[in-house]
Amino acid sequence: KQEVTQIPAALSVPEGENLVLNCSFTDSAIYNLQWFRQDPGKGLTSLLLIQSSQREQTSGRLNASLDKSSGRSTLYIAASQPGDSATYLCAVRPRETSGSRLTFGEGTQLTVNP
Amino acid sequence: ETGVTQSPTHLIKTRGQQVTLRCSSQSGHNTVSWYQQALGQGPQFIFQYYREEENGRGNFPPRFSGLQFPNYSSELNVNALELDDSALYLCASSYETHSYEQYFGPGTRLTVT
Repeated sequence: KQEVTQIPAALSVPEGENLVLNCSFTDSAIYNLQWFRQDPGKGLTSLLLIQSSQREQTSGRLNASLDKSSGRSTLYIAASQPGDSATYLCAVRPRETSGSRLTFGEGTQLTVNP
Repeated sequence: ETGVTQSPTHLIKTRGQQVTLRCSSQSGHNTVSWYQQALGQGPQFIFQYYREEENGRGNFPPRFSGLQFPNYSSELNVNALELDDSALYLCASSYETHSYEQYFGPGTRLTVT
């Protein structure tokens, strides 16, 4: 059974810092990994999707890496801003022939202080 | 191109009642997945529908059921509500033969009293 763990559970940083969020998964047989952002009481916004054949993806100040063999992904946020405050979730999709269920971690709650 | 929409936004029900939640897929998507997110937890997969057929189910009892319609919109039905069913219910759509990226709706907050 796939398990996804995110460390740390919560993080508070001053504005402008570069930071790294960690995600680990127990079964390396994945199709892809997706990072999401969730604002309080809201739905999920997709940030980055990394296919299992890829090593990293970048979007603006965000960079996500994937090391499938070790079961790890990191989300790097450069020059953090108060607007980045949210919960960040990673999710993996298993390598199955059908179905696209995602297994989520419990998230990292990020607070960026002005 | 419209995104994923869900209705209602909030709902309060009494234990033992039944509830129906609705989801409209993003334009061009043929797959809908439902997730339950308890407070402070990551979303948990309930089930998925692909071309109107159930295509995978998580560890949820049969009182959680669903439908997908020809226009790819979907319903989640929960019978005999329990207090632990209180959660944010998220719908996600995707186009299965493409990147498999899932796009989520804003969710329905269900409170069972």
